[in-house]
Amino acid sequence: GAVVSQHPSWVICKSGTSVKIECRSLDFQATTMFWYRQFPKQSLMLMATSNEGSKATYEQGVEKDKFLINHASLTLSTLTVTSAHPEDSSFYICSANVGDSNQPQHFGDGTRLSIL
Amino acid sequence: RKEVEQDPGPFNVPEGATVAFNCTYSNSASQSFFWYRQDCRKEPKLLMSVYSSGNEDGRFTAQLNRASQYISLLIRDSKLSDSATYLCALSGSARQLTFGSGTQLTVLP
Repeated sequence: GAVVSQHPSWVICKSGTSVKIECRSLDFQATTMFWYRQFPKQSLMLMATSNEGSKATYEQGVEKDKFLINHASLTLSTLTVTSAHPEDSSFYICSANVGDSNQPQHFGDGTRLSIL
Repeated sequence: RKEVEQDPGPFNVPEGATVAFNCTYSNSASQSFFWYRQDCRKEPKLLMSVYSSGNEDGRFTAQLNRASQYISLLIRDSKLSDSATYLCALSGSARQLTFGSGTQLTVLP
């Protein structure tokens, strides 16, 4: 089946550091990928929709200058958390569709980000 | 009002029990519905899609009621390995998923 690979799995870094997370579709092309964030004991919240070759669409309340998204190819989207602070510590997960909107999304393994 | 409402639980049930989860949604234009399972500190994994006619996969039965705008998941003969958080999710034409808050299930020996 379709596989989405996310890297890295864990990141621990100091406050003020910028962190890049990669999301790859391994055996299919994804013109659209999605980035979610999950805080402890809460559900997944959509942050932004990443569109290949164009600007990402951000959800209300998500700072586009803080969370930079680049989707330069049909198999790779990156999320960069710029100047990360402790409140950015969370579980970040990407996903992608294979086929039309009726098909379920496939999720990456997630990245656990801890900012000290 | 949240777009998707889900009872957070927790549900603690003995092995072999039948347990049901429900979600209600507010956007009648929602097109696709899913149940995901999420283990602690892991990504969500698709359990099953939900169709209007209802669908079954082994011990799991999912149903969709568009008129009342709710979806349900029934787990029969629950196993210890069923312990997880169960998330309902729906999507519209834009494809992005909106998740419920998740229901935590613990199956006890």
